[in-house]
Amino acid sequence: QVQLQESGPGLVKPSQTLSLTCTVSGGSISSSFYYWSWIRQPAGKGLEWIGRIYTSGTTNYNPSLKSRVTISIDTSKNQFSLKLSSVTAADTAVYYCARDDYGGKGFDYWGQGTLVTVSS
Amino acid sequence: DIQMTQSPSTLSASVGDRVTITCRASQSISSWLAWYQQKPGKAPKLLIYKASSLESGVPSRFSGSGSGTEFTLTISSLQPDDFATYYCQQYNTMWTFGQGTKVEIK
Repeated sequence: QVQLQESGPGLVKPSQTLSLTCTVSGGSISSSFYYWSWIRQPAGKGLEWIGRIYTSGTTNYNPSLKSRVTISIDTSKNQFSLKLSSVTAADTAVYYCARDDYGGKGFDYWGQGTLVTVSS
Repeated sequence: DIQMTQSPSTLSASVGDRVTITCRASQSISSWLAWYQQKPGKAPKLLIYKASSLESGVPSRFSGSGSGTEFTLTISSLQPDDFATYYCQQYNTMWTFGQGTKVEIK
């Protein structure tokens, strides 16, 4: 059974960089069948896709966040990571990592989510 | 960007009711549409992919239909466990979600 787990600071100061890691267990992040995505959800609001990475390191980003987002992958640790720079209060949200099926199945496995608050 | 619009935003229903949620795309997405169920404090759960394919383990009372720009999620007989928020998501070009439909107890 595939499991994903987000980790990282729960509090980030404005203008700083938000950094999160997703650890994948029960399956290989190097599989050619999947992308690995980050998605966020502000309290009481809808879901926003941030971006994704393939095992090769190829990335796709939401155009609205592209200038501030970097997603990377560490296949040796079965992890992928998110960095979001120059954060503001508007970036306060629950951040999820998820598996994105290459064959077109949507997001079939999700982490439990981690709340990141941007505040001084 | 492809915009996804769900209706209604909130739906009040009773156990046993047949429930339909609609999702419209701002341009054609073929059948590249998924539906998710989310309960408070939990991650979304995949219900339907490729517009009408039922994810493994999801009860058969859930079904999806549509293609192009108009899609529906139907729950044939609403159960107590189904009260939740439902999201559609397109994965034709980049990935965007609808704003959600909350199914609440009538």
